[in-house]
Amino acid sequence: ETGVTQTPRHLVMGMTNKKSLKCEQHLGHNAMYWYKQSAKKPLELMFVYSLEERVENNSVPSRFSPECPNSSHLFLHLHTLQPEDSALYLCASSQGEQGPSGANVLTFGAGSRLTVL
Amino acid sequence: GQNIDQPTEMTATEGAIVQINCTYQTSGFNGLFWYQQHAGEAPTFLSYNVLDGLEEKGRFSSFLSRSKGYSYLLLKELQMKDSASYLCAASDSNYQLIWGAGTKLIIKP
Repeated sequence: ETGVTQTPRHLVMGMTNKKSLKCEQHLGHNAMYWYKQSAKKPLELMFVYSLEERVENNSVPSRFSPECPNSSHLFLHLHTLQPEDSALYLCASSQGEQGPSGANVLTFGAGSRLTVL
Repeated sequence: GQNIDQPTEMTATEGAIVQINCTYQTSGFNGLFWYQQHAGEAPTFLSYNVLDGLEEKGRFSSFLSRSKGYSYLLLKELQMKDSASYLCAASDSNYQLIWGAGTKLIIKP
């Protein structure tokens, strides 16, 4: 497989459930990201990992918990979510972190569509 | 604050030309990206501009004016498959990407 793969593609959960989203990249990239995409709103950066170390956490509620066990895998653990958390969750990777070394193009997965009842 | 503005939706005819505008206000600037996102699919990279001017890639071109805080994506010879959302994102002084809400482009036969 190539590119960035996200599973599951669709997830419906109750507010008391615990679930996880998975992301896998086979591009040899060193940075991975979680974004939230809501209808008619800009992409919201949630977490950034570079070389498996978290480098950014944009004030995301603790009910979202990321995990990056290695440079190819990224998880987003979900628990006691709220209905307003319903959105498309996009994973992305890039060769390196965004920085002075150059523009690092993001490669996105197709997303996990989350519905919280 | 930092902000990106782009039209919410545009409609164009197959075979025609369409220009999608993007204005940005950021703390510093390190380039501007355009991505294409078909419904239910991953956003894919289209272009990156950091210097003023026009860059052409086949039917798609992207323009940047740093002094005006303005960019546009120009799509020529429109095809039905160009129906998608087009996302504009500016890189600020900390290399953080500031995203627009996207422009949904509808192509009619």
